[in-house]
Amino acid sequence: QQQVKQSPQSLIVQKGGISIINCAYENTAFDYFPWYQQFPGKGPALLIAIRPDVSEKKEGRFTISFNKSAKQFSLHIMDSQPGDSATYFCAASRPTNKLIFGTGTLLAVQP
Amino acid sequence: DTGVSQNPRHKITKRGQNVTFRCDPISEHNRLYWYRQTLGQGPEFLTYFQNEAQLEKSRLLSDRFSAERPKGSFSTLEIQRTEQGDSAMYLCASSLRLAGSTGELFFGEGSRLTVL
Repeated sequence: QQQVKQSPQSLIVQKGGISIINCAYENTAFDYFPWYQQFPGKGPALLIAIRPDVSEKKEGRFTISFNKSAKQFSLHIMDSQPGDSATYFCAASRPTNKLIFGTGTLLAVQP
Repeated sequence: DTGVSQNPRHKITKRGQNVTFRCDPISEHNRLYWYRQTLGQGPEFLTYFQNEAQLEKSRLLSDRFSAERPKGSFSTLEIQRTEQGDSAMYLCASSLRLAGSTGELFFGEGSRLTVL
């Protein structure tokens, strides 16, 4: 059922650096691509989401870049902070359907 | 705070026993989802409801698993004859299904199952 492939599995970034996480999908019927953030002991929480009619969406320090032809999308965290240390999941869904998640990226931001 | 509530948060059981988890979604949300998450993995879809109707079940959901949402409000997930491979975090999420759109999923903090 692996329809969303995520990389890297883990990432270490220095404070103030840029964190980049990549995802690739297979199903061209997907029309919604969110990123979720999960802290230990908590459920995932929506961070930012994009639809395929735009190539980029920015919210504060978080940016999604979307490449429809390559069937890839990525999360960029600018000016990474220790508080950003968490597990990040990309996901995708068809219209009004369930979310399918990637395997996650464990991000550690070192002070 | 009226977020998604899951109970119990932790359950330790012996192999072969039955367990039941409860999820109370955000009150105005019409969709409710169950996911399973194992260590180092993303949430895996199990099943979802729109109001009281169960719209889809994953092939991962064996006949030992059953979910209900009797009045379109809270939901229960029961696992019968538990196996060690059932040990995982069971996540519930709810959303407001809008026409032509997948609404944001709001997750609870999960129910962690350990099968000895």
